[in-house]
Amino acid sequence: GNSVTQMEGPVTLSEEAFLTINCTYTATGYPSLFWYVQYPGEGLQLLLKATKADDKGSNKGFEATYRKETTSFHLEKGSVQVSDSAVYFCALDNQGGKLIFGQGTELSVKP
Amino acid sequence: EAGVAQSPRYKIIEKRQSVAFWCNPISGHATLYWYQQILGQGPKLLIQFQNNGVVDDSQLPKDRFSAERLKGVDSTLKIQPAKLEDSAVYLCASSLLGQSHTFGSGTRLTVV
Repeated sequence: GNSVTQMEGPVTLSEEAFLTINCTYTATGYPSLFWYVQYPGEGLQLLLKATKADDKGSNKGFEATYRKETTSFHLEKGSVQVSDSAVYFCALDNQGGKLIFGQGTELSVKP
Repeated sequence: EAGVAQSPRYKIIEKRQSVAFWCNPISGHATLYWYQQILGQGPKLLIQFQNNGVVDDSQLPKDRFSAERLKGVDSTLKIQPAKLEDSAVYLCASSLLGQSHTFGSGTRLTVV
């Protein structure tokens, strides 16, 4: 069946460092792909999405490109801030709107 | 617009007791989901409603879990009897048909 695999955390970075969180997926067809962010004590918030191959989703300085050839949707940000500390989840649309999530990657940004 | 409301925020119960969670989706959102998020894992779908009908409950442990969405608006998720492994955050989400999920803040259940 369809699945999502994320790089394990926690990831610890200094402020203004470059961020990459790897995400690969297994799916039949070409599902929509998502990144969600979960701040401490809060629910998940949609960060960005891409609906077809080669699409680039972007929001708040974060970017991810839908790569069909490598079945990947890696999350990147050029300069992280302390306020970006959170857990990040990669997900795919498993037909009919249902989401399959990766296990999450915790990011900690130090000043 | 108001977000997805869930209650309670926290619940502690003993194993074999019953518990119920409530969700009020965003007004007009026909699709409602319940996810279970065990500590250190990503959320896993339990059940999906379209209006007041069940679309997918294949991952719902029906021997102990039940859910309903009367009148196609609010929804309740019940566990009876609870087991230790049911300790998790239960997330409700809603969406317009074919659109992205909006999640509530979740209910953190601890079974002791």
